[in-house]
Amino acid sequence: GDQVEQSPSALSLHEGTGSALRCNFTTTMRAVQWFRKNSRGSLINLFYLASGTKENGRLKSAFDSKERYSTLHIRDAQLEDSGTYFCAAETGTGGYKVVFGSGTRLLVSP
Amino acid sequence: VTLLEQNPRWRLVPRGQAVNLRCILKNSQYPWMSWYQQDLQKQLQWLFTLRSPGDKEVKSLPGADYLATRVTDTELRLQVANMSQGRTLYCTCSPRLGGPSQNTLYFGAGTRLSVL
Repeated sequence: GDQVEQSPSALSLHEGTGSALRCNFTTTMRAVQWFRKNSRGSLINLFYLASGTKENGRLKSAFDSKERYSTLHIRDAQLEDSGTYFCAAETGTGGYKVVFGSGTRLLVSP
Repeated sequence: VTLLEQNPRWRLVPRGQAVNLRCILKNSQYPWMSWYQQDLQKQLQWLFTLRSPGDKEVKSLPGADYLATRVTDTELRLQVANMSQGRTLYCTCSPRLGGPSQNTLYFGAGTRLSVL
């Protein structure tokens, strides 16, 4: 079935550094969305991409449907970036379905 | 501006009892409403997408049985029965189904269910 493999499952960064999260897909996906879970437990939309790249502040995301992956880059990490990040992919066939990755727990420390 | 009003935020459910959840859409420009569950391992899973008043669907997953109903253009309900493990249910809305790049999924605050 359609699967989304998200990595890493956990990530520790020092303030000011950066890294990337990645989601690999087992099939061709139509679009991908990235979320961050806030302190209240709500999912906050970060990006929605049907192709290409998008950038917002210190975050940048890319999606390649053909190569079956998406990335979320964080640069100049801040303490408030800590949290759990999820990717979610819309399947290209079989009706409307969104498949989520298992999440990445990011901890930014001083 | 909050697009979705989800209540209750938390419920303790005696084993064997069912619970009814409501989700109210605050902006009619996002009519595609869905339910998602998040299990204790934090894995999110799509449950239902219901667009039109009167739409109903049922589904059984490990640990719970679900009945979703689109009551009106602004109200979505979910009955959770036979729940054996706690979980969080999220209501979502979207402006278009399967459309181009503006089809973003917006989440409500969620309802956390715990089994008593």
